[in-house]
Amino acid sequence: DAKTTQPNSMESNEEEPVHLPCNHSTISGTDYIHWYRQLPSQGPEYVIHGLTSNVNNRMASLAIAEDRKSSTLILHRATLRDAAVYYCILRRDSGNTGKLIFGQGTTLQVKP
Amino acid sequence: GAGVSQSPRYKVAKRGQDVALRCDPISGHVSLFWYQQALGQGPEFLTYFQNEAQLDKSGLPSDRFFAERPEGSVSTLKIQRTQQEDSAVYLCASSLGQVQPQHFGDGTRLSIL
Repeated sequence: DAKTTQPNSMESNEEEPVHLPCNHSTISGTDYIHWYRQLPSQGPEYVIHGLTSNVNNRMASLAIAEDRKSSTLILHRATLRDAAVYYCILRRDSGNTGKLIFGQGTTLQVKP
Repeated sequence: GAGVSQSPRYKVAKRGQDVALRCDPISGHVSLFWYQQALGQGPEFLTYFQNEAQLDKSGLPSDRFFAERPEGSVSTLKIQRTQQEDSAVYLCASSLGQVQPQHFGDGTRLSIL
């Protein structure tokens, strides 16, 4: 499985946008880019996923580089509730049980 | 709510005891996954069910770990002769299909003394 690289930690101020980067230089053509986040003492929560085009949903936006070797999760206005560990995960949607392979993720701190 | 429910929330056991952890997935979800999360680490895959069939158990760390989902709904993860290194949070997730987003429970925190 292709590997992702994320910064260990990031800080943001409340109500400002946050850009969380992820590098995945060994991504294959059939790998989808998934983002999950994990709030303290809770299970992970699905955020967004995409293949090639940028994606938007009510929680966040996902910007995917043209060569797909990197992507950025964008939180448009950070709130205190967005403080969590954010995981960038590659998942192949064929020939795969669908299991998620988590790395260390990025711990996001949001300051009031 | 109709989310994934796990019980117990916390479990303390003595080394050598057997434990059973329960997962109630979201109704209608075909796929069910178990993960283990050590302190300060990301979750690690243990096993996967499609309905009642266990299709992938490649992540189970030893033959002391056993999972079942006999009727394709509730699942139980059993750990026999527990060891201290089994102390972790055990997470269950379910999804409509194997490639759909996974919905996680809040886990069972297992402490082995």
